[in-house]
Amino acid sequence: DIQMTQSPSSLSASVGDRVTITCRASQTISSHLHWYQQKPGKAPKLLIYAASSLQSGVPSRFSGSGSGTDFTLTITSLQPEDFATYYCQQSYSTPPTFGGGTKVEIK
Amino acid sequence: EVQLVESGGGLVKPGGSLRLSCAASGFTFSIAWMSWVRQAPGKGLEWVGRIKTKTDGGTTDYAAPVKDRFIISRDDSKTTLFLQMNSLKTEDTAVYYCTTDCSGGSCFGYWGQGTLVTVSS
Repeated sequence: DIQMTQSPSSLSASVGDRVTITCRASQTISSHLHWYQQKPGKAPKLLIYAASSLQSGVPSRFSGSGSGTDFTLTITSLQPEDFATYYCQQSYSTPPTFGGGTKVEIK
Repeated sequence: EVQLVESGGGLVKPGGSLRLSCAASGFTFSIAWMSWVRQAPGKGLEWVGRIKTKTDGGTTDYAAPVKDRFIISRDDSKTTLFLQMNSLKTEDTAVYYCTTDCSGGSCFGYWGQGTLVTVSS
């Protein structure tokens, strides 16, 4: 199975900050990488698919980049509603696997 | 509007069985690959398994921890997805989410609200 490693596992940031979350795959996965946001007690929500494509309805302050083994999710100006846990997921091979999550907390 | 509504969760003893359902609406269910994803309390996300469309053979894939114990099926006439869970273990305790697969089984586009399964004596 492909292992997905996210860093950091948690971070504290202020409203308006630029936030960057990293996801690394244990082998090359081309651009088969997706990002989700999950708020407490809620289901995950797809933010970015195929490494850099913004899901419909997702604010443009979210962006994704990378290919191969290293990927990044960036939030350009953190908003109060962005405090949540973020997960990456690879779909290059079965089983699809998720990163361990990055919790974004209020500083 | 896409809606996925899971039901059937609850408390079950180790070794027991449970059947989850996911009622789908707002999209053409028969042409959608569907997956189950679970999340143990306070933990991350784990894919459980997937079923393809009948056009794609209706085949299923499972994660190693549940293979040979869980069975995914679908009823396209009732736009419902099922997860039959047998020989349940304490480590199967989780919220189970029904999801729609993006094209080609890549991402998970839509998620239900989840249903909690607790395996405990």
